Order: sequence, then C-alpha cells, then structure tokens
Amino acid sequence: DAEITQSPRHKITETGRQVTLACHQTWNHNNMFWYRQDLGHGLRLIHYSYGVQDTNKGEVSDGYSVSRSNTEDLPLTLESAASSQTSVYFCASSESLLAGATNTGELFFGEGSRLTVL
Amino acid sequence: AQSVTQLGSHVSVSEGALVLLRCNYSSSVPPYLFWYVQYPNQGLQLLLKYTSAATLVKGINGFEAEFKKSETSFHLTKPSAHMSDAAEYFCAVSGYNFNKFYFGSGTKLNVKP
Repeated sequence: DAEITQSPRHKITETGRQVTLACHQTWNHNNMFWYRQDLGHGLRLIHYSYGVQDTNKGEVSDGYSVSRSNTEDLPLTLESAASSQTSVYFCASSESLLAGATNTGELFFGEGSRLTVL
Repeated sequence: AQSVTQLGSHVSVSEGALVLLRCNYSSSVPPYLFWYVQYPNQGLQLLLKYTSAATLVKGINGFEAEFKKSETSFHLTKPSAHMSDAAEYFCAVSGYNFNKFYFGSGTKLNVKP
C-alpha cells in the first residue's frame, strides 16, 4: 500500500543546531506540504511544493527550508534550531488537479515528528 | 484569502448524545471543505469532504456535515456519540485545484461514559 513516512518520529536537539526532518511518500503525488501543530494554533503551513524543483513559503516559513529533488521526498531543514520551533511537524501529500478524474482532493498525512529544542 | 474558524476548542458530550462541532469558512470563491480527525499520537485522516456535489455529506464512523452557503458554515454532526469518537477534529478549506489547504485551530471532543 502507498504511504507517507516521516523520520525521526521523536528528536531532541539543542538551540543552534541544524536539524532535518525527512518525509517520503509512495503515492506519487505532486503536491507535498509541511505543517507544524501547536496547541491553540491548529496546523500552520510551513512550506509546500507542487513538483520537483518547486518550493514555496507558507505562513510560518522563517527559520525553515525545504528542497524537492524528486517526487517522493520533501525534507524539512531547520538551519539553526530555536526553542520556538519545539513542535509536532506533519508532512502531507495530495494529488494535483492535473492528475485528472481520480483527484479526490484528500490530503494524506504522515504520523508526525515531535521535535524538542532545548 | 481563505480561512477557517472553529468555535470551541473543547467540546464534551455524554456517550449517546448528539455531537455538533462548528466550522465557519471565509472564502472569496466557492471552496472545497473537509473535516479531518486526529487520534492521539497519530496524523490526521479524512473524515468527509464537500466538493460542490450534495450539500449534505456523509463520512466515516457515522459523521455527516452540511454545507450552508448562506451561513458560510460546514458543521460536523453525529447523532449518537461513542467513546471511540474522542479525538481532535479539524475543519479545512481548499481552493479549486486542491493545491493548498487551510486548517482551523481544532476542536477536542471528549466523550463521557
């Protein structure tokens, strides 16, 4: 079965360190997204990509970067981790409208990566 | 710009009682609307969606939602709550091409025995 996996599931790091969260999907979806989930804020969009070599900033992109070198992967990098980036991070993917009649509009989520920055 | 407002961050009901979770959207064009559910320590999964077909949408686990354009609402209901319904529920809106999704802040549903 197709799936979307995130790693690591849990990470503790120190302020100032670089951290990369991996996201891998086997749905062959063009669209991929990174969200962070914080109490009282729901899910906020960090970065998103509509295809290989395409990346875009979301509403809370400061301090984060992504790259899309293939369809399956969209790693999220925190260049210099800050305590304010302690959160649960979710990767998601969806089929683009160009995919045609099978497009259901559904977002498929990974199980999340819990990051603690000390 | 599109946005979603969920009224009530916490809702508590007794087992067997009606569940009503509220969602209002703001959109300059007819949107697509979704409800997602998140169980503890898991990712979100789709409960139901409205994509401009029938205004009353039925989802999994006995949930349904009605799209009311005049009220800009998409409230989630279930006639009889079950203990297994305890989770956090998110309303989301997307534009026509499903290339960006905006989520509400979530409502935690507690079901009392």
